[in-house]
Amino acid sequence: QVQLVQSGAEVKKPGASVKVSCKASGYTFTGYYIYWVRQAPGQGLEWMGWINPNSGGTNYAQKFQGWVTMTRDTSISTAYMELSRLRSDDTAVYYCARSYSGNYGMDVWGQGTTVTVSS
Amino acid sequence: EIVLTQSPGTLSLSPGERATLSCRASQSVSSSFLAWYQQKPGQAPRLLIYGASSRATGIPDRFSGSGSGTDFTLTISRLEPEDFAVYYCQQYGSSPQVTFGPGTKVDIK
Repeated sequence: QVQLVQSGAEVKKPGASVKVSCKASGYTFTGYYIYWVRQAPGQGLEWMGWINPNSGGTNYAQKFQGWVTMTRDTSISTAYMELSRLRSDDTAVYYCARSYSGNYGMDVWGQGTTVTVSS
Repeated sequence: EIVLTQSPGTLSLSPGERATLSCRASQSVSSSFLAWYQQKPGQAPRLLIYGASSRATGIPDRFSGSGSGTDFTLTISRLEPEDFAVYYCQQYGSSPQVTFGPGTKVDIK
């Protein structure tokens, strides 16, 4: 079946970087964008950006430009999101989700990866 | 950036009742680029509606979406016990940038 499986929980110190993976299966990886969305504890959803796995092209939310890097490895159908210079308020659940295009919404989501930033 | 406002913040209803959730945008949104999601505690969001009014695969027909311009609505015709959750609207706009509303919690009265 179609699914996105994310890497496990991470605990990082302030100033460190984290890299979260998102492995796709059950569909053609290069046929759908991968979006990254985060959710701080008790808060709403925040879009971080997307990557086009076919071209490698990216589009980041203005807030995250210069701070987030999204990449992919088509040989293993996996997308990555790396966030640098972590702060305590980056503590959140990070989700990947696929979208055929902007007008089709995000129809399949990963299970989420909890990133905790604490000294 | 387009800002989405959802109302009410919390909706307290009983099973079998009708739920009407509102999403208002700070500027006009193409209907093609408005979606609704449901999220239950500890779970990832689930796509309900895309293109303002099209149900995603496997979504029951008690869920419907409508609206255009700056005002959009998600209606749940008869609440089932599994429908008590938080609902988010989301738009895909120019730049292109994506924004989510703050959410409406539907809880049991």
